[in-house]
This record gives sequence, structure tokens and C-alpha cells, in this order.
Amino acid sequence: DGGITQSPKYLFRKEGQNVTLSCEQNLNHDAMYWYRQDPGQGLRLIYYSQIVNDFQKGDIAEGYSVSREKKESFPLTVTSAQKNPTAFYLCASSIEHPSGANVLTFGAGSRLTVL
Amino acid sequence: KNQVEQSPQSLIILEGKNCTLQCNYTVSPFSNLRWYKQDTGRGPVSLTIMTFSENTKSNGRYTATLDADTKQSSLHITASQLSDSASYICVVSARNDYKLSFGAGTTVTVRA
Repeated sequence: DGGITQSPKYLFRKEGQNVTLSCEQNLNHDAMYWYRQDPGQGLRLIYYSQIVNDFQKGDIAEGYSVSREKKESFPLTVTSAQKNPTAFYLCASSIEHPSGANVLTFGAGSRLTVL
Repeated sequence: KNQVEQSPQSLIILEGKNCTLQCNYTVSPFSNLRWYKQDTGRGPVSLTIMTFSENTKSNGRYTATLDADTKQSSLHITASQLSDSASYICVVSARNDYKLSFGAGTTVTVRA
């Protein structure tokens, strides 16, 4: 079955540690995204990538880093510079819909908690 | 600034009843609007996607409407089931823009 796999599902981090969240897709989508979800707020874009070896900052990129070495993979690193990293992180991918709409498919999410 | 506002923030309904969720947006130039269902602790799943020329689209017991003139959309759930308990998120896309505008969601709780 095609889809997006995020891991780990739950992750605990100590203050000052970097952690990396994995995102893998087998949908052959060109574009991939990382969003952060906090209670009572809409999803906020952290980074996105339209093609391999290229990515752009979203609205809240500070304290995060990404890489896009393969079409299938878009890992997110939460660095110690991110002051409030506890959140639910969602990875997504898209392909251009014939009408021009971006059909977005999400992974199951990763919940990061800072101890 | 592109914004998406959803109402109500939450609602509780009895199993078998209908409900309607609202979404107002200021995204421009408008490309499409979609509704997602998100179960607790899971990723959102697409219910419908509507472009400028569409004003109604159904997916089973879910019916979405779009009024591009007033920039409003609604999601109607018919004959609710316990499995409809979830957060429903309205997402609006601007033309030629990979960034999407997300509403904060409406949390629906269906009780037996």
C-alpha cells in the first residue's frame, strides 16, 4: 500500500538534545512538508521541499533543520535551538492535481515531548 | 494575510443527529478548499476537495459546500455515528503557492 510513514510515533527529549524525526513516502510525490500542530491552533509549516536537494523555510523554521537527499525521504531535526519543541509533528506529501490543486497526504504523526 | 476561521470550536451531538461546521477564509487568489478529518493522535485524512467552480461535493455522509463569492464553506455530517468523533480541519490553498492555510479545526464529539 502506498503511504507516508513517520517514526517514531512517540519521542522524549532532554533539554539540549537534538532529535531527528523520520518521514518516508512511497507515493512518488515530488513535494514534501513538515508541519507542527499545537492545541487550539492550525497546522504551521516548518519546512517544505518541492524537489530533491532543495527545500525552503516555512513560517516557523527557526530551531529546525531538514534534508532531502532522496525523493522518498524528508527527515526533520529538532535542534536544541528550538525553545518550545513539545508538539505533534506531521509530515505530508503532495503531487500536482490536474486541476492545479495540491492534494496533500499526511503521515500518522510523531509526538515529541521535552522532559 | 491569508486566514482561515472555523466555527464552532467544538460541539457535542447525539448519535444519529446531523451537524454543520463552518469555515470562513480570506485566502487570495483562491485555488481550492478541502476538509480533513483528524482522529485523536493521528494524521488528517482528506474528506473532500473543492475548486472555484464547485459549490457542493459529497463523500458518503459528509457534504461540503463552497460559496466562493462570500468565501465561506460548510461541512454537513448526516446521521452522525460514534466514529465521526474527531477534529475537522478546513484547509485553503492559494493559486501557484505550495503553502496552505489551515483552520484551527472543529472538534466533534458524538455521544450514544
